[in-house]
Amino acid sequence: QLQLQESGPGLVKPSETLSLTCTVSGGSLNSSSFFWAWIRQPPGKGLEWIATIYYTGSTYYNPSLKSRVTVSVDTPRNQFSLRLSSVTAADTALYYCARDNRVFLWGQGTLVTVSS
Amino acid sequence: EILMTQSPATLSVSPGERATLSCRASQSVSSKLAWYQQKPGQAPRLLIYGASTRATGIPARFSGFGSGTEFTLTISSLQSEDFAVYYCQQYNDWPPMYTFGQGTKLEI
Repeated sequence: QLQLQESGPGLVKPSETLSLTCTVSGGSLNSSSFFWAWIRQPPGKGLEWIATIYYTGSTYYNPSLKSRVTVSVDTPRNQFSLRLSSVTAADTALYYCARDNRVFLWGQGTLVTVSS
Repeated sequence: EILMTQSPATLSVSPGERATLSCRASQSVSSKLAWYQQKPGQAPRLLIYGASTRATGIPARFSGFGSGTEFTLTISSLQSEDFAVYYCQQYNDWPPMYTFGQGTKLEI
């Protein structure tokens, strides 16, 4: 059974870079059938798609975040990663990684708080 | 960007009753519409994709309908475990630019 687990710092200072990793188990990141995504949810609010990546490294970004976001994939480790630069309090959210088959299979999420 | 609007924001119903949730797209998304259920402290769970196809393991009391810009999720005979927040998501565009509705909270 496919499982996704986010990891990374839970607290990031304003203006710094948020970095998260998603570890995939029970399946291969190399699967040609799926893409892999990052989605976030500010506390008490709705869902916002951030980016999607294919195992080949092809990337797709939400235009509203594109200038600050980088996603990458590490197929030997079965991991993919998110970097979000120049963070502010507005970037405080639950960050989910997900398998992207146009619809999503979600990890459990990790809360990242932006605060000094 | 395709804007997804859900209504109502909150729906109060009783166990055993029927609930109908709506989702409207700002432009046609064909049948590229999914519904998710999110309970407190949990990640969203896929219920419906392709506007009307139930995901694996989803009970038959959940049904989706619609195409183009108007969609509904109906839950017949509500169970206690169905009280949650429901989100719609469109996936019509390629390259992807996924957008979600703001959610409908189903409460007792």
